[in-house]
Amino acid sequence: SQQGEEDPQALSIQEGENATMNCSYKTSINNLQWYRQNSGRGLVHLILIRSNEREKHSGRLRVTLDTSKKSSSLLITASRAADTASYFCATADGFGNEKLTFGTGTRLTIIP
Amino acid sequence: NAGVTQTPKFQVLKTGQSMTLQCAQDMNHNSMYWYRQDPGMGLRLIYYSASEGTTDKGEVPNGYNVSRLNKREFSLRLESAAPSQTSVYFCASSPDRGGYSNQPQHFGDGTRLSIL
Repeated sequence: SQQGEEDPQALSIQEGENATMNCSYKTSINNLQWYRQNSGRGLVHLILIRSNEREKHSGRLRVTLDTSKKSSSLLITASRAADTASYFCATADGFGNEKLTFGTGTRLTIIP
Repeated sequence: NAGVTQTPKFQVLKTGQSMTLQCAQDMNHNSMYWYRQDPGMGLRLIYYSASEGTTDKGEVPNGYNVSRLNKREFSLRLESAAPSQTSVYFCASSPDRGGYSNQPQHFGDGTRLSIL
């Protein structure tokens, strides 16, 4: 079963605008990670936020985590055509488990 | 700097045929994983290996077997392929104990498998 559900499923914005996508999950987590997947390629890790963190930044990326609402958001600022990809959240549960559970993804299209 | 390498990249099989998907990583990672990706389903874990010599079932292990050949290599075998196994298969690795030790996973570019 899917742990994470991303929202929206698809998003199209103009280049230069900000893109926000959300992830909700069901069970207690140890950390939450965001990955990007370009068409025909594997997933690339973007950022990891631990359960005791509320916000994290990496370049143009900003991730927030609200464990009380079991949700996270990924903000991409000043979007570029190269940001066109699918974005997935993945959760690691808090039970000493090596496994990640992935959401269904958000397909982001940046219009030049 | 190859990272995670998967072979083959594409494969077409007939129902009932068998095949092995190969995965190798050159990052000296301890943990390795096999996922399948279907439209609208995200990635689902098939099997994983937390360290050399150990393997465990994931969410969707039925119809698959795995072998952790050594620290570098982790193979996935379909003994009798079925159309429901048509999917894109991804191998991944992580330095230590994956999510629990707060380490990201590194992915290969996938094997696109069609079962007719």
